[in-house]
Amino acid sequence: GESVGLHLPTLSVQEGDNSIINCAYSNSASDYFIWYKQESGKGPQFIIDIRSNMDKRQGQRVTVLLNKTVKHLSLQIAATQPGDSAVYFCAEITYGNNRLAFGKGNQVVVIP
Amino acid sequence: DTGVSQNPRHKITKRGQNVTFRCDPISEHNRLYWYRQTLGQGPEFLTYFQNEAQLEKSRLLSDRFSAERPKGSFSTLEIQRTEQGDSAMYLCASSPPVGDTQYFGPGTRLTVL
Repeated sequence: GESVGLHLPTLSVQEGDNSIINCAYSNSASDYFIWYKQESGKGPQFIIDIRSNMDKRQGQRVTVLLNKTVKHLSLQIAATQPGDSAVYFCAEITYGNNRLAFGKGNQVVVIP
Repeated sequence: DTGVSQNPRHKITKRGQNVTFRCDPISEHNRLYWYRQTLGQGPEFLTYFQNEAQLEKSRLLSDRFSAERPKGSFSTLEIQRTEQGDSAMYLCASSPPVGDTQYFGPGTRLTVL
């Protein structure tokens, strides 16, 4: 299928290792953040979200960290699996707004 | 599968033709969004519906683009007089009455020759 990840920053990670994907956002008024995973030829898939009144949130094998001081968001994937290979996008939204603003994608390639 | 569905999944058309895409949101999601995604980029917002009302449109939505949601359920996105620059993935998302999470469909890949 057609790759969504052409010319994107790429993180190559060994299967079983942990992955960290970073995202810088620009709007200090943003108060809700989402990480999406997008596989080739598919739509973005919700992974985890976090509100601006939190600095950490954990899901199954994933953790999102939010640093509002430097406007930085990260996604940690524990024990990365081949099925985690995809492009990952962070997205932000401001209260009262309806449009998600997406950051640049990061391609994750899991090496078996 | 009770997720967002989109049809067709792929559309190839000649420049100047009109195309129409359909989106069926998750049941009981009253908010619906259209985005466009080009290769290597994140999705860009096009328009937003709450029930049947189109409440927000991006500057990206030129006069050749029109979206409708007549009964507050499915939505259509029409592009008239397509241009090669319209080639992209058109994504639909929906969200429930409460909460900000937007759930995306698989998209419609448009290729304009």
